[in-house]
Amino acid sequence: QLVESGGGLIQPGGSLRLSCAASGFTVSSNYMSWVRQAPGKGLAWVAVMYSGGSTYYADSAKGRFTISRDDSKNVLYLQLNTLTADDTAVYYCAREPWNDGGMNVWGQGTTVTVSS
Amino acid sequence: SYVLTQPPSVSVPPGKTARITCGGNDIGRKSVHWYRQKPGQAPMLVISHDGARPSGIPERFSGSNSGNTATLTVSRVEAGDEADYFCQVWDNDSHHYVFGTGTTVTVL
Repeated sequence: QLVESGGGLIQPGGSLRLSCAASGFTVSSNYMSWVRQAPGKGLAWVAVMYSGGSTYYADSAKGRFTISRDDSKNVLYLQLNTLTADDTAVYYCAREPWNDGGMNVWGQGTTVTVSS
Repeated sequence: SYVLTQPPSVSVPPGKTARITCGGNDIGRKSVHWYRQKPGQAPMLVISHDGARPSGIPERFSGSNSGNTATLTVSRVEAGDEADYFCQVWDNDSHHYVFGTGTTVTVL
């Protein structure tokens, strides 16, 4: 199970840290992604952290967002900086049991609204 | 960047077969995963690796992938199959994940 938290209303230019707490499996043993969905739109991949620690970002996230994890807490994070209205979305974390294995566990999502 | 194109909508009478396509350049060389998303819910994996069904997914769901098109087939469609469906691949050159544009399935 995955449970996201940390979303909310934030002003343009602000920062936010999202959390994704895992239970029933170990975050560090899996490929963990953040995926977002703007209102009325489709799914958009944001970032991934491989089990070995490598990280990759969508072009829209590179330089502004940072994915990380705390192995002692079994939690995945997404630090969001320099937010704009285009970042308004539901943010999901998702687990892949191995590389290119399909995301077979998803959280319920946390909503980020960027507005003044 | 790699692009996956899906039809915006598919309508099908109950009991019939829905086919949802996912077009991408040489997609047959990639592994395609399919997700179903019902309103207000998180996505759920329904097909992995082109045609494998995760535990709990009915046999009515199947997938194929060849050339430039992958297809999700839902047989004997039920009212509960109404949802948005997304295809997804992993691009091994960029290590990026790509989702299709999404298809809304309506049961008439």
